[in-house]
Amino acid sequence: AQTVTQSQPEMSVQEAETVTLSCTYDTSESDYYLFWYKQPPSRQMILVIRQEAYKQQNATENRFSVNFQKAAKSFSLKISDSQLGDAAMYFCAYRTSYAGNNRKLIWGLGTSLAVNP
Amino acid sequence: KAGVTQTPRYLIKTRGQQVTLSCSPISGHRSVSWYQQTPGQGLQFLFEYFSETQRNKGNFPGRFSGRQFSNSRSEMNVSTLELGDSALYLCASSPWSGGIQETQYFGPGTRLLVL
Repeated sequence: AQTVTQSQPEMSVQEAETVTLSCTYDTSESDYYLFWYKQPPSRQMILVIRQEAYKQQNATENRFSVNFQKAAKSFSLKISDSQLGDAAMYFCAYRTSYAGNNRKLIWGLGTSLAVNP
Repeated sequence: KAGVTQTPRYLIKTRGQQVTLSCSPISGHRSVSWYQQTPGQGLQFLFEYFSETQRNKGNFPGRFSGRQFSNSRSEMNVSTLELGDSALYLCASSPWSGGIQETQYFGPGTRLLVL
């Protein structure tokens, strides 16, 4: 069974600085999708960035980028120029790419990010 | 496009009662998934519906059930509520078309408190 591990329950960063959140996963599959979601105090789960495992190029979305290391099964999120609005719980999630009925997201326990002014 | 909507946003029930939560997916999305979020267990998958059929089910007791209507709207029902059912229930929709398009987009959640 696949598992997702986020080893940092809490992190903090100064406004305008860069922070990296860690995520590792375990799977025997060769093709899959990885996601970072953000959940601010409103509890709305917001997609931050996504990565297809077969793509070697790391995904980037504005100030957010990932470091995807397939062999190491690592998927870290880098937030550049941190803003106060980035303060939230960040979840790493895995999903199989295979068609069929096993399409659920498997989640890490989250990292709570505080942004200090 | 309007996002995923969930109603009600907040609910307070007592043990033994039953509750029904509703989810309307993004227009054009045909798959609806439900997740339970608690401080102790984190996010856990409940079930997924597509084309009015349950396609996938998580490890929850039979008290948790759901259904999907022809317009892709979904409901989940919890019968004989227990204190441990207090949680944020999140609904997510996706197109069911394969590939990265299968990213799930979430609603604001329904917070259920069981007393």
